Amino acid sequence: DIVLTQSPALAVSLGQRATISCRASQSVSTSSYNLMHWYQQKPGQQPKLLIYDASNLASSIPARFSGSGSGTDFTLTINPVQADDIATYYCQQSRELPLTFGSGTKLEIK
Amino acid sequence: QVRLKESGPRLVQPSQTLSVTCTVSGFSVTSYHVSWVRQPPGKGLEWVGAIWKGGSTDYNSALKSRLSISRDTSKNQVFLKMNSLQTDDTGTYYCAKLTTEGIAFDYWGQGVMVTVSS
Repeated sequence: DIVLTQSPALAVSLGQRATISCRASQSVSTSSYNLMHWYQQKPGQQPKLLIYDASNLASSIPARFSGSGSGTDFTLTINPVQADDIATYYCQQSRELPLTFGSGTKLEIK
Repeated sequence: QVRLKESGPRLVQPSQTLSVTCTVSGFSVTSYHVSWVRQPPGKGLEWVGAIWKGGSTDYNSALKSRLSISRDTSKNQVFLKMNSLQTDDTGTYYCAKLTTEGIAFDYWGQGVMVTVSS
């Protein structure tokens, strides 16, 4: 199985940049796609897709969210961070089955 | 408008079978893949399995011996059945629609919280 590693928590000041990383135990990229996706989950809610295929913004997601990376290293950036962004962020790979998620990074306000 | 809604029991006794239904609207289960994801209280997300638009299924190998995912295309519903439940199966069970390319979860149901307890 592909293991995705995320830092447990990140503290950022409002209006600053948040950079959340996800490292895969093996490449999740093909010749055509970077098969890494990002989700936001607020307490008591279902996850919401933010970024698909590493860098594509999902529908209705604000442009202050962006994603980058390829191979085994991927990043979700939120700039600037707003109070409404307080949540846990998960990465997920679809390069191979089983589909796997990172353990989540909890974004906190400094 | 895409919607998914899970329905099922909130409490299941240990060793019993869990049955959850996902009723979808706004798309056909024969045109898009549907998957199940679960989340223990206070913990992360775990992929349970999927039924692909063609009707084939794949399961998390750790759950495969206890798991069955099926569908009723006439009702646009997807079903999850898991037997021999234990307390560590407690959690929220979500159904989600998958994108055709890339296999990301683009729409999620609100989930059903299932407690395994006697």
